[in-house]
Amino acid sequence: DTGVSQNPRHKITKRGQNVTFRCDPISEHNRLYWYRQTLGQGPEFLTYFQNEAQLEKSRLLSDRFSAERPKGSFSTLEIQRTEQGDSAMYLCASSLAQGSEQYFGPGTRLTVT
Amino acid sequence: AQSVAQPEDQVNVAEGNPLTVKCTYSVSGNPYLFWYVQYPNRGLQFLLKYITGDNLVKGSYGFEAEFNKSQTSFHLKKPSALVSDSALYFCAVRPPDSNYQLIWGAGTKLIIKP
Repeated sequence: DTGVSQNPRHKITKRGQNVTFRCDPISEHNRLYWYRQTLGQGPEFLTYFQNEAQLEKSRLLSDRFSAERPKGSFSTLEIQRTEQGDSAMYLCASSLAQGSEQYFGPGTRLTVT
Repeated sequence: AQSVAQPEDQVNVAEGNPLTVKCTYSVSGNPYLFWYVQYPNRGLQFLLKYITGDNLVKGSYGFEAEFNKSQTSFHLKKPSALVSDSALYFCAVRPPDSNYQLIWGAGTKLIIKP
């Protein structure tokens, strides 16, 4: 399968712990996006990479969130000192160029207890 | 403020009947328009897009969408619904001055009854 993959698919953590998610985009896609989705809502933009450069980060994103794409291939999203409000589905997407559609991974469902 | 509206939280259609899922947007200029589908506990799947050209665009699984510039709408349609079409459908719009931003609708749950 050459689609976008995300790991883990599910993560349960206690409040205050750090978590890290990984996204592997479609290999030839140079653009990578992270979104957060809660039940019954559309995706909420978190951040965007073009190759290894993080070009945009949502102002809604607190300093506890950080993302990297060190070699312009896979990306990681880290949440430090998790809070119950961080419980959501975290989606990764990739695309080839401006104007092209984004292809989404299956998501990582985070539950903070 | 730029926005995307999906006025129906849920649409119920009998199998075999035509279906329409509505989307209107408030974005200046000529945006790119997209439809995505989400099955339970799955990521979003791209269905179709409009950038320019023919107002009727065809996509995956027999879906099509009609762009109407004067009404700023991009309704999703299918001539004959299948039970397997039951899912959550999202309309998304990329403003013309953005490299990456997608403005998303809240989603419409489509239920196809046998």
